[in-house]
Amino acid sequence: AQRVTQPEKLLSVFKGAPVELKCNYSYSGSPELFWYVQYSRQRLQLLLRHISRESIKGFTADLNKGETSFHLKKPFAQEEDSAMYYCALRGYQKVTFGTGTKLQVIP
Amino acid sequence: NAGVTQTPKFQVLKTGQSMTLQCAQDMNHEYMSWYRQDPGMGLRLIHYSVGAGITDQGEVPNGYNVSRSTTEDFPLRLLSAAPSQTSVYFCASSYRGTGNQPQHFGDGTRLSIL
Repeated sequence: AQRVTQPEKLLSVFKGAPVELKCNYSYSGSPELFWYVQYSRQRLQLLLRHISRESIKGFTADLNKGETSFHLKKPFAQEEDSAMYYCALRGYQKVTFGTGTKLQVIP
Repeated sequence: NAGVTQTPKFQVLKTGQSMTLQCAQDMNHEYMSWYRQDPGMGLRLIHYSVGAGITDQGEVPNGYNVSRSTTEDFPLRLLSAAPSQTSVYFCASSYRGTGNQPQHFGDGTRLSIL
């Protein structure tokens, strides 16, 4: 079975402060992990994937197989980062999402 | 540039009624899927399709049927609506090159069952 855990329902940070959204996973095979974001009144969209090792909108995420984690990080939060963030794991023929973390950036 | 189009956006049903949620994509994507989003539970996969004529069950398929007669369309049918099916439903698509990881989502359908 595959599982994704996002322990925080809500994360509030001040503008300019570092952000870390936690994601832990359980999967017996070699995982592929993603972060999705949903801004207010917008569609859910893919933010980044671990394979690409990319930085999108200042966010990065590193896959740590030893800790089975894929935390999303940004050094300086911006107000426009306020949104719902979902971690997802792709297994055999299906993708499992976490329950999501709402990021609130306080001006 | 429509992408993934879902209709209707809102619907209220009575228990026992049936209905079909429509999903269409114009990107020639092979992979399409349906998710439901409930508070505190994230997105859960209902059914998915890897191509026309091929469908399979996800995590929560009970009470739902799907078919994929064309690449473009992937309708979700509620056979006999129950209050537990009150949710927001999302359709997603992706092309085979990315595997089955959803790339494009629709706006969602907010469904209430009374």
